[in-house]
Amino acid sequence: DAGITQSPRHKVTETGTPVTLRCHQTENHRYMYWYRQDPGHGLRLIHYSYGVKDTDKGEVSDGYSVSRSKTEDFLLTLESATSSQTSVYFCAISEIATDRGGTGELFFGEGSRLTVL
Amino acid sequence: GQQVMQIPQYQHVQEGEDFTTYCNSSTTLSNIQWYKQRPGGHPVFLIQLVKSGEVKKQKRLTFQFGEAKKNSSLHITATQTTDVGTYFCAGTGNSGYSTLTFGKGTMLLVSP
Repeated sequence: DAGITQSPRHKVTETGTPVTLRCHQTENHRYMYWYRQDPGHGLRLIHYSYGVKDTDKGEVSDGYSVSRSKTEDFLLTLESATSSQTSVYFCAISEIATDRGGTGELFFGEGSRLTVL
Repeated sequence: GQQVMQIPQYQHVQEGEDFTTYCNSSTTLSNIQWYKQRPGGHPVFLIQLVKSGEVKKQKRLTFQFGEAKKNSSLHITATQTTDVGTYFCAGTGNSGYSTLTFGKGTMLLVSP
């Protein structure tokens, strides 16, 4: 398996509290992604990064922010968690871009299960 | 935006039966990828198809990319209990700047 570590793996929090999920990779891959997975919705892209300090929005970015200060770390922050953000969050990495016709295979982390009460 | 639709949502087969899942895009794709996710696990890359009409095989799994590059299929011959999981297709748009869009997946259950 690719060297991807997500933390925390499980978190229960209350509505209105801030939450940060961390993705750490040891593969030195350029591209990093945050997806959320919900029943009936499959995997939906939240934000992604194409380099240090270079990030862009995905299809469900509202209520989320990200930061990437080092190649190996990609942080996902929920400034004020809501119950609709209860989900399983997956970090993924790729060496080659998956956009603009790229051929990048995604490697996924183990996932972080977040429950917002 | 780009949409990738996958059918069926769910299929339950007896071990030894064949299984097929279909993926359709609202726009032409530059490539399509397939992933498998075991229950409680994370998605794992299976294969990528790039060329129009491309067919690739991995043991009992056969992957096809349509001539128009708007649809794809995954066929499993003689399913085994180890095939249980959710199969996702994911496509990249063919124009401009677009990221990988996943279908909602097909959950496969195999009874012994």
